[in-house]
Amino acid sequence: AQSVTQLGSHVSVSEGALVLLRCNYSSSVPPYLFWYVQYPNQGLQLLLKYTSAATLVKGINGFEAEFKKSETSFHLTKPSAHMSDAAEYFCAVSGSGGYQKVTFGTGTKLQVIP
Amino acid sequence: DTEVTQTPKHLVMGMTNKKSLKCEQHMGHRAMYWYKQKAKKPPELMFVYSYEKLSINESVPSRFSPECPNSSLLNLHLHALQPEDSALYLCASSQGGQGYHNEQFFGPGTRLTVL
Repeated sequence: AQSVTQLGSHVSVSEGALVLLRCNYSSSVPPYLFWYVQYPNQGLQLLLKYTSAATLVKGINGFEAEFKKSETSFHLTKPSAHMSDAAEYFCAVSGSGGYQKVTFGTGTKLQVIP
Repeated sequence: DTEVTQTPKHLVMGMTNKKSLKCEQHMGHRAMYWYKQKAKKPPELMFVYSYEKLSINESVPSRFSPECPNSSLLNLHLHALQPEDSALYLCASSQGGQGYHNEQFFGPGTRLTVL
């Protein structure tokens, strides 16, 4: 079974500081990995996805994530936090093809302090 | 058009009511999903339709009844709900078919309150 673990339910950073949100995956086969962002009372928006084409994945809004097989990690980073980055972030994993079930992590709430 | 739309945005219903949630996408996606999300929790998968056929039912109570009239529309019929069913209901769609990555596009959700 595939799963993801997000370390830290809440992360606080100062505006302009580095953002680092942690995600570790468990999968017996090469996984498809995603980061989604959810703003209050809204749906989920895809930030980026890993599909084995490249280990460093760049997404929207200046976010990127690096797939590290040796560490089974897919951490999300952004060099400089902006107030508008405050939201809930979900790491997710799925199998390949068709309508495979996507399994979400428990989420990390990012707070940006002015 | 990369948008998934959901109606209504908010819904309040009594335990004896019958109501429906609607979802629509025009991206040509062939897989559509219903999720339930409680406060401060990740989305939980309820149903998956692939090519208009129900492909995954995550042991959801029968008071929730999904319907996929065509490849663009997805409904969730609600009947005799309980207060604990109050949640944000999210619809999503993805390309579907073998060889496609499972990037799911989410709608804004329907906030359901059961009194």
